[in-house]
Parts: sequence; structure tokens; C-alpha cells
Amino acid sequence: EVQLVQSGAEVKKPGESLRISCKGSGYNFASHWITWVRQMPGKGPEWMGVIYPVDSDTIYNPSVQGQVTISVDTSINTAYLQWSGLKASDTGIYYCARGTLPTDHWGQGTLVTVSS
Amino acid sequence: AIQMTQAPSSLSASVGDTVTITCRASQAIRNNLSWFRQIPGKPPNLLIYSASTVQSGVPSRFSGSGSGTDFTLTIRSLQPEDFATYYCLQDFNYPRTFGQGTKLEIK
Repeated sequence: EVQLVQSGAEVKKPGESLRISCKGSGYNFASHWITWVRQMPGKGPEWMGVIYPVDSDTIYNPSVQGQVTISVDTSINTAYLQWSGLKASDTGIYYCARGTLPTDHWGQGTLVTVSS
Repeated sequence: AIQMTQAPSSLSASVGDTVTITCRASQAIRNNLSWFRQIPGKPPNLLIYSASTVQSGVPSRFSGSGSGTDFTLTIRSLQPEDFATYYCLQDFNYPRTFGQGTKLEIK
């Protein structure tokens, strides 16, 4: 069974750094793109970016370029989304998902709360 | 970025009804469109990809059509679990873009 299991909820202060994770299992992790999507409170999903585990080829949405970093560690079948300086506006749920055409299996989501 | 416009933004229907949701792209995207259903507190669930291919495990009451700029999702014989929010997603180019969503409510 394909599964993507994300790390737990986080509460951070503005300016702090954070890395959340997404561990894939039940399939060949290296051969499928991993997509990251954010969903702000009460809003629709927004596509953030995608990474290909084999060569770490990464494509970002211009709306988040420079604000986050997407990475992957194929030795442990895990993708990451990280921030070096969180803002209150980063509060939301972050999903990873397998694939980019289509995006077929999703993680359960990680709630990130940024508040002073 | 390609803009995706869904209509309607909300819709009321009853169990057993048939409903149609539309999604329009700001430029042609061939058949590179997916549909998702999202229940509150859960991740989006893929229903349809390549405009008309039903994802494995998805009930046959869901169907999709369209190509180019105009697409539709049809749900026949609505079930209680179908009352949720639906999103289209263009996967023609980057950045991928979602429609703003259609909330399907029980009448």
C-alpha cells in the first residue's frame, strides 16, 4: 500500500526555522516526484513545488521561491520542506503528495502554526 | 501562471441527485486536468486525472470530460460522503494551479 506519512504539528514563533518531513513507503520512492501543497485556514490548496528524488531536480512556485526549500533524502525515502525564517502568514496545513501528473497519493498533512 | 476558474463556487443538492461542476482554464491545457474531493480535516483525494480517467478505487458515479480550456466533473446519484469541496488542478505546466473550489452542500 502506498503511504506518505508526514511529521507532526508544529507551533513556532515568527523568525524561527522549521523543517517538516514526508516519508514514503509501499512504492519505489526514488522514481516518483514529490509535490508539496499548502492550504491556509479556510482557503483552497496552493501548489508550492515539486522534487524528483533521483536527482533532486526541484521546481518552485514563484510565489514561494526563496521562502522555502524542498529537499529529499532517498536513503530514508523522505522529502522535506523547510523554512529559515517563519512568518505568521506561513500558518496553515502543508501536504506532501506522490507524483505530479497526476498527484495520486497524499500525506495526512502537517499543521504549522506561527504565532508570537 | 494559468488561472483556473471553477463554477459554481457553491451548490446545494440532495442525496441521489446528479450535479455538474465546471472548470475553465485561462489558456489551453490539452487534457491535463485533475479533479479532487476534499472533506474537512482531510487531504484532497484524487478522483479524475487526464480530464476523464477515473482514479483506481473511485466509484463509477464520478466522471469527467473536456479538453482545451473547458472541463466538467459530473457526480451521479450523490451519496452522503460526496458533500464536500471539489477542486480542479491543471497539470499542464508549472506552477500547477488549482481552481478556487466548489462547495457541495446538502439541500
